[in-house]
Amino acid sequence: NAGVTQTPKFQVLKTGQSMTLQCAQDMNHEYMSWYRQDPGMGLRLIHYSVGAGITDQGEVPNGYNVSRSTTEDFPLRLLSAAPSQTSVYFCASSGGPLNSGNTIYFGEGSWLTVV
Amino acid sequence: RKEVEQDPGPFNVPEGATVAFNCTYSNSASQSFFWYRQDCRKEPKLLMSVYSSGNEDGRFTAQLNRASQYISLLIRDSKLSDSATYLCVVIGSNDYKLSFGAGTTVTVRA
Repeated sequence: NAGVTQTPKFQVLKTGQSMTLQCAQDMNHEYMSWYRQDPGMGLRLIHYSVGAGITDQGEVPNGYNVSRSTTEDFPLRLLSAAPSQTSVYFCASSGGPLNSGNTIYFGEGSWLTVV
Repeated sequence: RKEVEQDPGPFNVPEGATVAFNCTYSNSASQSFFWYRQDCRKEPKLLMSVYSSGNEDGRFTAQLNRASQYISLLIRDSKLSDSATYLCVVIGSNDYKLSFGAGTTVTVRA
């Protein structure tokens, strides 16, 4: 019963490097999203998708790209890593609109450090 | 002004005590409210939804005050296992966006 799977769990990057955080869910959920969590702040939405081929920006999208070619996968790309992107990243999925009683499920998180 | 604000704590309480804390939200059009629990270095997990009439789940009681735009969480008979950070979460008009507070840390000591 995998749920939402994120990889890698830990990553250290050098400034300017690019990388992709992978996220996959096996619940056939239409809605997927990426959040980042920084000390003293709540989780903030980076990008989200309401279905394959559809993505939209969240609160803090700069420096990140996403794509949704399949229902299962929602990778997050850091184009040119900056120290300000040091954070914990959570992928999440839901079966439908969150105001309609659908529960959101989070992955276990990816700890990213940019040096 | 942040969309969702919480007292960060920490609330340090002995086992068996009652602890309560609030969360305020700025968007009066917010529609759904939740408390999530987050353990150290773990993902957030849903603790309970918050309904207009108030609701209980075992030792946990959540209340919503729309007029003053806050929600509260009360934990009775605290257990060591209740030690965690409690996140206030609000959904506004965007059906797909959760707004999180920064969390209230509760430490229950023996």
